[in-house]
Amino acid sequence: AQKVTQAQTEISVVEKEDVTLDCVYETRDTTYYLFWYKQPPSGELVFLIRRNSFDEQNEISGRYSWNFQKSTSSFNFTITASQVVDSAVYFCALSEALKGGGADGLTFGKGTHLIIQP
Amino acid sequence: SAVISQKPSRDICQRGTSLTIQCQVDSQVTMMFWYRQQPGQSLTLIATANQGSEATYESGFVIDKFPISRPNLTFSTLTVSNMSPEDSSIYLCSVEGELSYNEQFFGPGTRLTVL
Repeated sequence: AQKVTQAQTEISVVEKEDVTLDCVYETRDTTYYLFWYKQPPSGELVFLIRRNSFDEQNEISGRYSWNFQKSTSSFNFTITASQVVDSAVYFCALSEALKGGGADGLTFGKGTHLIIQP
Repeated sequence: SAVISQKPSRDICQRGTSLTIQCQVDSQVTMMFWYRQQPGQSLTLIATANQGSEATYESGFVIDKFPISRPNLTFSTLTVSNMSPEDSSIYLCSVEGELSYNEQFFGPGTRLTVL
């Protein structure tokens, strides 16, 4: 069975601070995919990144960066120089590869509510 | 990424009735997924819908309560049957990305309130 743990229920920082959202996962598969989504107050779910289990390279996209470490089963997300518009709930998710190709549905963590104060 | 629309965007229903939610995608996709997000909670996968086959339900979800149709590669429906207040949630469909089947994009969701 797969599981995603986001231990931080809520984080509050002042604008321009850096903030890291933690994600720890469990899976028995050797091939799997990790995701981060953003859900702003408006409610839509915004895709941020997908990483497969064979690619441990860290990724940077503007102020966002992701640190994937298989040794600790973690896929952490850092926002640099946070802005008020970053305020949202952030979900980490996991899916396992299907034998016939394609990916399975996602298992989500409980989410981290990030509050950026001006 | 695929453009996904859902109808209705929100609804208020009486207990004991049923509501059918539609999910339309602007491109053909093999796999579509239905999720539920209860108030203040995370998302939970209800079922996977592949065109031409029966939907596959996750533990805790049954076809009698959440029948799903997938008549073609761009459309799916989820029905919430015999509703109770506990069914009040946001229901979202998601699809694989066009360029990579490992990316999953979500529709805007249907906010359901059951009185």
